[in-house]
Amino acid sequence: DTAVSQTPKYLVTQMGNDKSIKCEQNLGHDTMYWYKQDSKKFLKIMFSYNNKELIINETVPNRFSPKSPDKAHLNLHINSLELGDSAVYFCASSQDLWTGGIYGYTFGSGTRLTVV
Amino acid sequence: KQEVTQIPAALSVPEGENLVLNCSFTDSAIYNLQWFRQDPGKGLTSLLLIQSSQREQTSGRLNASLDKSSGRSTLYIAASQPGDSATYLCAVRSNYGQNFVFGPGTRLSVLP
Repeated sequence: DTAVSQTPKYLVTQMGNDKSIKCEQNLGHDTMYWYKQDSKKFLKIMFSYNNKELIINETVPNRFSPKSPDKAHLNLHINSLELGDSAVYFCASSQDLWTGGIYGYTFGSGTRLTVV
Repeated sequence: KQEVTQIPAALSVPEGENLVLNCSFTDSAIYNLQWFRQDPGKGLTSLLLIQSSQREQTSGRLNASLDKSSGRSTLYIAASQPGDSATYLCAVRSNYGQNFVFGPGTRLSVLP
């Protein structure tokens, strides 16, 4: 039973297209996140949602729009894809926003996005 | 602004050795610190989480310590095995922050 699941695992698409990545957690956590891991393997926060409410929106182009239909889901929609968007995108969840919970973060397995 | 660094960037050791990975952070006002491993092409697996009130956590052959005053954490791996080969990331949650800040990772290779 996967705790944090992302789909798709791989995504290859052309420049200019619009694509979505889905994330679901079955842990009952309040907070969900999107992180981006670039080619140098740095992990950087993009967004966090707490109980469906946007909390963090780092300096991410507005072509990226997160959507949280409910507490268990946080989807990432990307418009007008660019070559520089190629990266691995990770979804994560934590019990709550401020403490990270006693178990910290749980990560999904990542979505490798390649823009050609 | 919290910054996290990890030394060394890469490490190669023969099987059976004990080793230490280092993580440093600039702001000691942290809530907790978490160590992860990442296998190539895979997601992150949580290894150990240390709350700010704790000094160490142990799980099997892994031991993580935390010294908030000096802004450091170490991950000790005993009797390393080839299966330990992966990238090890530390992530710090500040008291004022709402997310973890990750270090760049240490890439470990354990040679048979």
